[in-house]
Amino acid sequence: GAVVSQHPSRVICKSGTSVKIECRSLDFQATTMFWYRQFPKQSLMLMATSNEGSKATYEQGVEKDKFLINHASLTLSTLTVTSAHPEDSSFYICSASGGRSGNTIYFGEGSWLTVV
Amino acid sequence: GNSVTQMEGPVTLSEEAFLTINCTYTATGYPSLFWYVQYPGEGLQLLLKATKADDKGSNKGFEATYRKETTSFHLEKGSVQVSDSAVYFCALRDLNTGFQKLVFGTGTRLLVSP
Repeated sequence: GAVVSQHPSRVICKSGTSVKIECRSLDFQATTMFWYRQFPKQSLMLMATSNEGSKATYEQGVEKDKFLINHASLTLSTLTVTSAHPEDSSFYICSASGGRSGNTIYFGEGSWLTVV
Repeated sequence: GNSVTQMEGPVTLSEEAFLTINCTYTATGYPSLFWYVQYPGEGLQLLLKATKADDKGSNKGFEATYRKETTSFHLEKGSVQVSDSAVYFCALRDLNTGFQKLVFGTGTRLLVSP
C-alpha cells in the first residue's frame, strides 16, 4: 500500500538554528500534504496545508515565517523550523493524500524535534 | 465549524474486557469519520473509517458505526489485549466544504493490563 515517510525521525538542534524535516510519499503522487504538530498527551494541531507547486495555507496562529513549508514536487514536502527555540520542541507529523485511492490520507511516522 | 469530541482518558481496562470509546462530532456537511491509533513513539495509523450514515467500519476486532441521528462514531472492541494499549483519535473530514484536512478529537489513551 501507499507509504509516507518522514526524515529524520528524531533530531536535536541548538537554539537559534534551523532544522528541516522531510515528508515523502513513496509510491504515489501526493497532491496535498498536511503538517501537524502534537504536544505531549495532546491531539494533533494542523499547522498548514500544502499543494504541490503553490504556497502553503497556514492555520490561524501558525507563524509562516517560522515554519517554512515547501511542496516542490508531488512526492516531497519539507517543513523548516527557523531560528528554533525550546518551545518549538514537539512531535511533527505529516500526512499526504492522492494516488489511486484518491482521497485516502496517509500519515508519516512523525519526527521528534528537541531544541536545546 | 467542524469539531470532534472524545471522552477523556485514560481508559484503564484488564485484558479481555469490553472497550467503548465515545466520539461525537459537529459538522456542517456530510463528513467521513475515522478512528486513528497511535502507538507510543509512532505516527498515526488508520484503524477504521466510515463514509456515510449507518456504515460500520471494522478492523482488528474494533468496530464503529456512523450514527447520523446521534452524530456519533463510538469505537468498540469486544475483548481488548495488552497490545491495544495506545492513544485513539477520532477524526472527521468534510469534503463537501472543499477541504481535505482532518479534524481530530483530543485523543483517548487506552491502558490494558494483563
